[in-house]
Amino acid sequence: KAGVTQTPRYLIKTRGQQVTLSCSPISGHRSVSWYQQTPGQGLQFLFEYFSETQRNKGNFPGRFSGRQFSNSRSEMNVSTLELGDSALYLCASSLVAAVNTEAFFGQGTRLTVV
Amino acid sequence: AQSVAQPEDQVNVAEGNPLTVKCTYSVSGNPYLFWYVQYPNRGLQFLLKYITGDNLVKGSYGFEAEFNKSQTSFHLKKPSALVSDSALYFCAVRDLESNYQLIWGAGTKLIIKP
Repeated sequence: KAGVTQTPRYLIKTRGQQVTLSCSPISGHRSVSWYQQTPGQGLQFLFEYFSETQRNKGNFPGRFSGRQFSNSRSEMNVSTLELGDSALYLCASSLVAAVNTEAFFGQGTRLTVV
Repeated sequence: AQSVAQPEDQVNVAEGNPLTVKCTYSVSGNPYLFWYVQYPNRGLQFLLKYITGDNLVKGSYGFEAEFNKSQTSFHLKKPSALVSDSALYFCAVRDLESNYQLIWGAGTKLIIKP
């Protein structure tokens, strides 16, 4: 069974540009969450999608957006990149969004903004 | 609001000794707790979870965790540490007030010395 796939693995972008990251969840999983991980801030929740609907949203500016497609694949977009957006972006999928379900993570996309 | 605390930024243990990584939580209602491990430049891997039942939960790679309701703790343990256990460990709790979003601790870096 394939795991969570995130593409690309590495990205280098220039300040002011925009970027789109992709996440393919485990087959059958309908919940997809996105996190930003930086050395100083730990894991910061961005948003969660379930069946194409955004269920939860973290405390990030509107430059960060996401969506989920009917096949559960998800994308997140960051517009007008800033140096502080450099981070590891992690995607996690769950079968459903319920109390007893664990999340499975992809290997992440390492974004560097220069 | 639900919260999770990992009071130690780093834990150092000699190989072969028992290890404990601490986690305390604050929730309204029943806690649903998880432990994850992250190796360098990788995504998070699920280790174990407590939903209900026995207070001692066994998980992957020989890890176990002890749920203590009176102390609101969910400490991760292993009887004999391996150098390969060196990694970053995260504790998380499901937030029942926010569509079951996972709330994360700041992480504890575990270093096992030969």
